[in-house]
Amino acid sequence: QKEVEQDPGPLSVPEGAIVSLNCTYSNSAFQYFMWYRQYSRKGPELLMYTYSSGNKEDGRFTAQVDKSSKYISLFIRDSQPSDSATYLCAMSAASGTYKYIFGTGTRLKVLA
Amino acid sequence: GAVVSQHPSRVICKSGTSVKIECRSLDFQATTMFWYRQFPKQSLMLMATSNEGSKATYEQGVEKDKFLINHASLTLSTLTVTSAHPEDSSFYICSARVQGGEKLFFGSGTQLSVL
Repeated sequence: QKEVEQDPGPLSVPEGAIVSLNCTYSNSAFQYFMWYRQYSRKGPELLMYTYSSGNKEDGRFTAQVDKSSKYISLFIRDSQPSDSATYLCAMSAASGTYKYIFGTGTRLKVLA
Repeated sequence: GAVVSQHPSRVICKSGTSVKIECRSLDFQATTMFWYRQFPKQSLMLMATSNEGSKATYEQGVEKDKFLINHASLTLSTLTVTSAHPEDSSFYICSARVQGGEKLFFGSGTQLSVL
């Protein structure tokens, strides 16, 4: 079993839709959770950063962490064609090794 | 957010040559930098962890003599692909962890093509 599972997609939605992206994980030591957006042939861009459980909102983006279920989500409201990209979840236990574990990424396509 | 500059963005070289890729944290100090390799439509594959002033830690299966990493300062890490061959062609990305924090910021990546 992989430490982090993420549906690779592709996920196609119409413009304006609410998008839900998810990751599950197995290591209960993870405390730091991140979502990245990666356009083709570019480096990942940090979208959301969350420590421990709870919700965080930034503009059209909301990140949720449920440590009891080992489940994290990223919601995108009013999706735009420019949101079309691959979204990667990442997490770290900050145990001293500072190793980050990444999901495989979900490819999202927002149709105009 | 913090800025990580990676150069060059694209390099084409002949088989047998060495290629150096630079990764700089522009507005913060990074005690730890990471180097990844990414194949088309696949996720990031961690190659090595680079710590300032000490030897890099390589992931299993990554040849340390092939992929030389130097982290000479708190703002600069370099990856040198020695004697590159066509199978080394890939997208290489660096990232840097903000000193004292957990956020990870990425460079823009380098597309290496070995002919």
